[in-house]
Amino acid sequence: QVQLQESGPGLVKPSETLSLTCTVSGASISSYYWTWIRQPPGKGLEWIGYIYYSGSTNYNPSLKSRVTILVDTSRNQFSLKLTSVTAADTAVYYCVASRAGIATLFDHWGRGTLVTVSS
Amino acid sequence: EIVLTQSPATLSLSPGERATLSCRASQSVSSYLAWYQLKPGQAPRLLIYDASNRATGIPARFTGSGSGTDFTLTISSLEPEDFAVYYCQQRDNWPPVTFGQGTRLEIK
Repeated sequence: QVQLQESGPGLVKPSETLSLTCTVSGASISSYYWTWIRQPPGKGLEWIGYIYYSGSTNYNPSLKSRVTILVDTSRNQFSLKLTSVTAADTAVYYCVASRAGIATLFDHWGRGTLVTVSS
Repeated sequence: EIVLTQSPATLSLSPGERATLSCRASQSVSSYLAWYQLKPGQAPRLLIYDASNRATGIPARFTGSGSGTDFTLTISSLEPEDFAVYYCQQRDNWPPVTFGQGTRLEIK
């Protein structure tokens, strides 16, 4: 059973960089696509982007200039960096696994972590 | 970007009743439509993929239908654990992958 756990600061100051890590258990990092999705308070879900173990990525065009997703195969982890954050980036951030071959179908999710952008 | 519109925003029903949730796309997404269930404090769950295929472990009371621009998630007889927020998601035309705004299924 694939399990994912998000970790990182719950509070980030405006203009700084949001950094989150997802630790994967129960699956090899090379078996899935690894995605970040977020949900602002009271709003719907927003796809941020994904990475494959090879390092290939695909990002939401609305966030592309500020987003980097990286994978660490040795630690079975992947990470999200979002630069120049504002209050609009306050959200619950989920890390997600997608089956091999279908990067855009979200099979397994973490419980999510709330990140608040505030001074 | 494809916009998904879900209706109703909130659905109030009792256990044992039938729930019908709708998702309409701004343009055809073929059958590349999925449904997810979100509950507070829990990991979201994939219910239906490619419009009508139940994901692993999903009970038979969940049924997805539709193609093109109009899709439906039906829960045949509501169990107490089914009260949650449901989102549809398209993967036909991306990036970006897009989601609907959700339907909240609440106990009447």
